[in-house]
Amino acid sequence: DVKVTQSSRYLVKRTGEKVFLECVQDMDHENMFWYRQDPGLGLRLIYFSYDVKMKEKGDIPEGYSVSREKKERFSLILESASTNQTSMYLCASSPLGQGGNEQYFGPGTRLTVT
Amino acid sequence: GENVEQHPSTLSVQEGDSAVIKCTYSDSASNYFPWYKQELGKRPQLIIDIRSNVGEKKDQRIAVTLNKTAKHFSLHITETQPEDSAVYFCAAGTNNAGNMLTFGGGTRLMVKP
Repeated sequence: DVKVTQSSRYLVKRTGEKVFLECVQDMDHENMFWYRQDPGLGLRLIYFSYDVKMKEKGDIPEGYSVSREKKERFSLILESASTNQTSMYLCASSPLGQGGNEQYFGPGTRLTVT
Repeated sequence: GENVEQHPSTLSVQEGDSAVIKCTYSDSASNYFPWYKQELGKRPQLIIDIRSNVGEKKDQRIAVTLNKTAKHFSLHITETQPEDSAVYFCAAGTNNAGNMLTFGGGTRLMVKP
């Protein structure tokens, strides 16, 4: 059974703080993703990674960076948090494969920036 | 890049009725179309998916249809039950590195008992 975990369910940070969100998966998946979820906007891809130390920008990478030093762990970093980054952040992983594969999601981190 | 539009944004049906959610996509290279269900306070989970070499797929009360020419696909839920109440997301993906998906904006389905 695939398990994707995220370091926090709820997080409150102040404007300008550096924020780390961590995601760990236990199924040896090659692909990992970070999304933010806002009402009416669906899931928007921030960054993804298809291998250790590899990263690719998604649709909304501005204000974010990522790190993947180990296969099972994918970190999202907000260098200087702003109020417009208040959102639900979802991590996901999927195996490598042709033709698309199911993404398995973590429980999400609700981040509030004040 | 890919753009996925999903309609309606909210849908209210009576228990036992059918529900249909529609999505359109823009990139003709997309060949994988999953649907995710997200119950309140929970993570999105895959409920059904279809690949571009298939026109229709069914799993008990849910079915998905794909029209590649028109670039649209739909989710059909028959005999709806209160536990079907959730937010549903469609998505489109290709064979690109990372198997990236582009999601629609979501549909909040409410099934009234």
